[in-house]
Amino acid sequence: KQEVTQIPAALSVPEGENLVLNCSFTDSAIYNLQWFRQDPGKGLTSLLLIQSSQREQTSGRLNASLDKSSGRSTLYIAASQPGDSATYLCAVNDNYGQNFVFGPGTRLSVLP
Amino acid sequence: DARVTQTPRHKVTEMGQEVTMRCQPILGHNTVFWYRQTMMQGLELLAYFRNRAPLDDSGMPKDRFSAEMPDATLATLKIQPSEPRDSAVYFCASGRVSGAGNTEAFFGQGTRLTVV
Repeated sequence: KQEVTQIPAALSVPEGENLVLNCSFTDSAIYNLQWFRQDPGKGLTSLLLIQSSQREQTSGRLNASLDKSSGRSTLYIAASQPGDSATYLCAVNDNYGQNFVFGPGTRLSVLP
Repeated sequence: DARVTQTPRHKVTEMGQEVTMRCQPILGHNTVFWYRQTMMQGLELLAYFRNRAPLDDSGMPKDRFSAEMPDATLATLKIQPSEPRDSAVYFCASGRVSGAGNTEAFFGQGTRLTVV
């Protein structure tokens, strides 16, 4: 059974710092991995999708990498801003897209 | 701006009542997911549809939960009878499975259910 973990559980940084969020999964037979952002009381917003054949994806200040063989993905946020404060979740898509297994999330606070 | 639409956004009901949650997936998407989010369990898959056919509902308590897709523009999740332990945020997501099995999921804003 696929299990997804995320470290750290919570992170507080001053504005302007570069930071890395980590995601690990136990079964490397995945189709893709997706990073989401969730603001309090809101739905999940898709940030980046990495297909299993890809090593990384970039969008603006965000860069996500995937090392399928070791079961790891990282989300790099450059020059963090207070508006980046949210919970970040990673999810792996296995079983031919039939399920996304989610990690517990990392709660990020960027202080002005 | 394509988005997944869920109604209602909030629902408070008494134990034993029927609850129906609705979801309009993004036009053209062939997959629909129902997830439940709680503080203790995080996000759990309840049901999955592809091309309107239910492929996986193993995450749902079968005696009280049911999920359907009457047509391509509407997915429903019903709880009957509802119980306090059903209190959670219920999310619908839709996506399109590629031939290689890749799917990008897009989530709605959720229905916050409180059963008293």
